[in-house]
Amino acid sequence: ETGVTQTPRHLVMGMTNKKSLKCEQHLGHNAMYWYKQSAKKPLELMFVYNFKEQTENNSVPSRFSPECPNSSHLFLHLHTLQPEDSALYLCASSNREAGYTFGSGTRLTVV
Amino acid sequence: GENVEQHPSTLSVQEGDSAVIKCTYSDSASNYFPWYKQELGKGPQLIIDIRSNVGEKKDQRIAVTLNKTAKHFSLHITETQPEDSAVYFCAASGTNGGSQGNLIFGKGTKLSVKP
Repeated sequence: ETGVTQTPRHLVMGMTNKKSLKCEQHLGHNAMYWYKQSAKKPLELMFVYNFKEQTENNSVPSRFSPECPNSSHLFLHLHTLQPEDSALYLCASSNREAGYTFGSGTRLTVV
Repeated sequence: GENVEQHPSTLSVQEGDSAVIKCTYSDSASNYFPWYKQELGKGPQLIIDIRSNVGEKKDQRIAVTLNKTAKHFSLHITETQPEDSAVYFCAASGTNGGSQGNLIFGKGTKLSVKP
């Protein structure tokens, strides 16, 4: 375990479903991130939160909705997704003294 | 914004040989350059990093070099072992990747070490 826990590990959802991804860190980091990892593409930054405040939304479609209730928890709410949204969704956390620590990811399949 | 290019996309070496992966970046203000290793079914794990005030850093069989003038940095793995097989990512940011700078990643290099 890296200290960043993501659940669920795997998720299959229909295009009309609503689901949420969860990320939790107890490393004392103040920044949390959502990345999307698709085959043959670089890791794509989606959202950044610093001290619970969203500081970056990297032109992500509104069908992805992040939530950061506190500095240890981060959610990604999903609704009306498309098949091309199928990917590995990675959560990471960091602070100024340490680099990024990633979770193991949620493998999402949209059918 | 920052753009990171990584080469090669795939690399196959014999066990015991060395492997070198190269990255270039575009933003001269970037000063933190980590390398991540991603094994199947896992998230990327930090293996080594370097800051712009250092030209080289070594940790056992892994070393990273940085040329700020040319804006490129490289990962060197010596005496490769089958367990080194994974996808390696380079990244760059304006700080150590904390709240004032976001990591921009290269596309990754799939390293295969043949026994």
